[in-house]
Amino acid sequence: GAVVSQHPSWVICKSGTSVKIECRSLDFQATTMFWYRQFPKQSLMLMATSNEGSKATYEQGVEKDKFLINHASLTLSTLTVTSAHPEDSSFYICSARVEARSYEQYFGPGTRLTVT
Amino acid sequence: AQSVSQHNHHVILSEAASLELGCNYSYGGTVNLFWYVQYPGQHLQLLLKYFSGDPLVKGIKGFEAEFIKSKFSFNLRKPSVQWSDTAEYFCAVTPPPGSARQLTFGSGTQLTVLP
Repeated sequence: GAVVSQHPSWVICKSGTSVKIECRSLDFQATTMFWYRQFPKQSLMLMATSNEGSKATYEQGVEKDKFLINHASLTLSTLTVTSAHPEDSSFYICSARVEARSYEQYFGPGTRLTVT
Repeated sequence: AQSVSQHNHHVILSEAASLELGCNYSYGGTVNLFWYVQYPGQHLQLLLKYFSGDPLVKGIKGFEAEFIKSKFSFNLRKPSVQWSDTAEYFCAVTPPPGSARQLTFGSGTQLTVLP
């Protein structure tokens, strides 16, 4: 149980275009989802916390107008990278929290974004 | 500021050697502690966690960790590593109650086990 999926797993886009990444909890409901960014050989950096039905909370330094997060249901959150630039190329990972399990998080497999 | 420190960036061991990866955190009060593993090309998986009780916790695949409150440490151990343990290991902490309670990760330790 507690499986989180992400789609797509890998995407290449041209500079200036927008990309949407989906995060789904497959066998449980997640009131809270998190979006992380991971650069090569580095740790996960939290970008934003997404609560179902409300606006996401962004970490300091993360542009909310560039990284649009929507958490429309208890099983789906989306991250849209708007007007992507090469510096946005990274590995984006989502996780979902099961409240009843003492804040344990389950992670998706990640999405590799390459902006050319 | 809240932080999690992993002292070893890259550890190289031979099979059957013992492993200890360090993790220290800088929160005060009650915390939840985690170790995650990321195998090459795969997603993060939970190895073990500590919420309360016995400070020596056992996880999957023969891993264990000991919470030492006085040292703010949560070191990961395994008596005898295998080649398949080659992966990136992350220590993570959720801060005390009253804060946002999202995970804060350490910088990670790359473990390479030589056959």
